[in-house]
Amino acid sequence: AQSVAQPEDQVNVAEGNPLTVKCTYSVSGNPYLFWYVQYPNRGLQFLLKYITGDNLVKGSYGFEAEFNKSQTSFHLKKPSALVSDSALYFCAVELSFGAGTTVTVRA
Amino acid sequence: DTAVSQTPKYLVTQMGNDKSIKCEQNLGHDTMYWYKQDSKKFLKIMFSYNNKELIINETVPNRFSPKSPDKAHLNLHINSLELGDSAVYFCASSLLFGGEETQYFGPGTRLLVL
Repeated sequence: AQSVAQPEDQVNVAEGNPLTVKCTYSVSGNPYLFWYVQYPNRGLQFLLKYITGDNLVKGSYGFEAEFNKSQTSFHLKKPSALVSDSALYFCAVELSFGAGTTVTVRA
Repeated sequence: DTAVSQTPKYLVTQMGNDKSIKCEQNLGHDTMYWYKQDSKKFLKIMFSYNNKELIINETVPNRFSPKSPDKAHLNLHINSLELGDSAVYFCASSLLFGGEETQYFGPGTRLLVL
């Protein structure tokens, strides 16, 4: 069985500050991990994925995620957030999605 | 060109009616999916088809029946619609079935049952 948890319903940051969206997972075997973003009133878009290899994965729009096997985490990060990053972010392990984290970046 | 398209975009209907949502992908992918996103934004997989064969059916009521006439299309038929069916339904596709494949999503169909 697989599961994914996003412990924060909401994350608020000021523009220009670092942004972190947390994700932890539980899966047997090697995990396939994804991050997706849903902008207001729009569909889902793929940001990045981890299959194997380098623990730091770079994705779209300046986002990256760090796979940490010992902590079973796959946190999404962006060094300097933009107001346009305000959206709903989903972590996924294989075909199961987390509940989502709403990110609000204030100007 | 839209990679994954869904029609209609919005669907408002009465309880008890039967409706269909169509999905088409032009990516040459073998696998297609239907997801339901409820009012709290929670996403749940409903079905997955690989090369026109059903491979995932996640405890969805029998009123929901997916149909795949070819591997580029996966339509969702819903009979006897209920209030609780109101949600946004997303179609998606991936090259192969399996957790490592990136999924590409359609724009969603917002269903409102009155």
